[in-house]
Amino acid sequence: RKEVEQDPGPFNVPEGATVAFNCTYSNSASQSFFWYRQDCRKEPKLLMSVYSSGNEDGRFTAQLNRASQYISLLIRDSKLSDSATYLCVVNLASGGSYIPTFGRGTSLIVHP
Amino acid sequence: GAGVSQSPSNKVTEKGKDVELRCDPISGHTALYWYRQSLGQGLEFLIYFQGNSAPDKSGLPSDRFSAERTGGSVSTLTIQRTQQEDSAVYLCASSLGLGGAGETQYFGPGTRLLVL
Repeated sequence: RKEVEQDPGPFNVPEGATVAFNCTYSNSASQSFFWYRQDCRKEPKLLMSVYSSGNEDGRFTAQLNRASQYISLLIRDSKLSDSATYLCVVNLASGGSYIPTFGRGTSLIVHP
Repeated sequence: GAGVSQSPSNKVTEKGKDVELRCDPISGHTALYWYRQSLGQGLEFLIYFQGNSAPDKSGLPSDRFSAERTGGSVSTLTIQRTQQEDSAVYLCASSLGLGGAGETQYFGPGTRLLVL
């Protein structure tokens, strides 16, 4: 079983739609959680951290469910520019440091 | 610019040759990570440097892979006797390195390595 699992998609949605992605992680000792965005042939960039209480940034909402070991990302009012791969990242404590484990990503395509 | 830089941006080499990939982290960032991303795959952690501590090499796939970080800044990833399966994008990231679990990583543009 992979440590961090995501549905690769692609999720193909029209502009204005609401779309949600989930990411499950296997290690209950995981410390911190993030969503990164990666455009085609570009480097990943932080989209948002995921806090235990859930957090929102404009059209984006992230939530953490420690009991079920998953995090989610909700995108409201999708824009064409939201088309990208969304990477789930889980940090696990390892010998005094935190080693990030990336999911394989979920591909989102927003069409007109 | 003030971001993470990597060189070369693209590298084509023949099987069996050695390659060196370079990463310049953001000034002041003490933590540096190397990852590998194969086509259609997620990022695979390779190695992590934090200040003057011994690096975490737990992700290196074989002893053909090694990395150094000189003066706590620039890092070089070396792949000896390259194989075709080494073909991938090699990404470097840096962070402040304050020790918190929630630090943001800033990625460089990557080096695209093709082994023929």
